[in-house]
Amino acid sequence: DAGVIQSPRHEVTEMGQEVTLRCKPISGHNSLFWYRQTMMRGLELLIYFNNNVPIDDSGMPEDRFSAKMPNASFSTLKIQPSEPRDSAVYFCASSFGFNEKLFFGSGTQLSVL
Amino acid sequence: AQSVTQPDIHITVSEGASLELRCNYSYGATPYLFWYVQSPGQGLQLLLKYFSGDTLVQGIKGFEAEFKRSQSSFNLRKPSVHWSDAAEYFCAVGTQGNEKLTFGTGTRLTIIP
Repeated sequence: DAGVIQSPRHEVTEMGQEVTLRCKPISGHNSLFWYRQTMMRGLELLIYFNNNVPIDDSGMPEDRFSAKMPNASFSTLKIQPSEPRDSAVYFCASSFGFNEKLFFGSGTQLSVL
Repeated sequence: AQSVTQPDIHITVSEGASLELRCNYSYGATPYLFWYVQSPGQGLQLLLKYFSGDTLVQGIKGFEAEFKRSQSSFNLRKPSVHWSDAAEYFCAVGTQGNEKLTFGTGTRLTIIP
């Protein structure tokens, strides 16, 4: 298995632009998580899904952030409009249920200028 | 809400020396505890986890951790480090398996020859 696949690997955009981050979880996994990593705040859970349904989005910082999981093999995290303080590394992770190990993708390095 | 403290931001050890990384947690019930490792530019990889049972947990790459309820600690140990162990290490606590993990701020490990 190729593991959790995230795209793009790097994204540079200007303030006010829409940004879409993509994630393909490991086949067969039914839980998907979006995390954000910054120097100031460390790793933060933004939102997670179980069986394609959002379970908890309390970590989403603002209404500018939205996430979808239209099917078991694809999820997106969208920021509209983007701001410089959104610059961070965004990780997607998946697992088979909550009692199995999390597998992380390599992350998307987002820079908002 | 749960929290995790990793008091050491940066640790330097000599290759072949023993290692202990500290982790203290705060959670009212029995926690689910994890140690993850992150190499530069990569996602996180699970080293080991504690859910219940034996308080001494063995993980990958020769790491182990001991859950001490009385001290609210889950320290990571390795008897002899290798240069390839240089990375950032994160302790995490969950309320139900890996659901809604709270991560510590991380400890960066440097290995010197």
